[in-house]
Amino acid sequence: EDQVTQSPEALRLQEGESSSLNCSYTVSGLRGLFWYRQDPGKGPEFLFTLYSAGEEKEKERLKATLTKKESFLHITAPKPEDSATYLCAVRAVSLPGGGNKLTFGTGTQLKVEL
Amino acid sequence: GAGVSQSPSNKVTEKGKDVELRCDPISGHTALYWYRQSLGQGLEFLIYFQGNSAPDKSGLPSDRFSAERTGGSVSTLTIQRTQQEDSAVYLCASSPNTGWGEAFFGQGTRLTVV
Repeated sequence: EDQVTQSPEALRLQEGESSSLNCSYTVSGLRGLFWYRQDPGKGPEFLFTLYSAGEEKEKERLKATLTKKESFLHITAPKPEDSATYLCAVRAVSLPGGGNKLTFGTGTQLKVEL
Repeated sequence: GAGVSQSPSNKVTEKGKDVELRCDPISGHTALYWYRQSLGQGLEFLIYFQGNSAPDKSGLPSDRFSAERTGGSVSTLTIQRTQQEDSAVYLCASSPNTGWGEAFFGQGTRLTVV
């Protein structure tokens, strides 16, 4: 069954403690994998788009990578302001809507403490 | 404006009443989406509009839900005879391209049915 799965569900880090979030997908005809950040009470904020295996994107302390089966969001030396829920979404031909809509994982809730 | 605008930001309604939620997409974006996010849940696709094509209504949970998009721009999501289980954050997003690329979200409308 086609799906998008994120792990872990929740992650608690100390400030400066680097880690990675995972988004695994089982689809065919990938048309893009997207990472979003969502703060409480707000809409998802777009971070990155990845289209093909081997692609990488970076922004400040965040780096997103993509393989044929999964994507990682690496967080280097996180700060408390990086605390948020990180969402992964996929467009794929094999998913309902044929790539016309984004299918989301359930997210990873990240808490960075001092 | 520069981003997706949704109104109202909060709506409290009595069970059985009808509500209308409004979305102003980013100017020039041809694709518009409605998603629903219940407390602690992932984003649930509701409906998708693309230009003058027939909308993809496959995610609407019941016939109490409907949406329209006038002039290829503003969209209204209508929920008739609201029920308590309709309480959620309703998110609108727009995208410049059909079937490709990231979508940009508004801040959402928090609907509470009492």
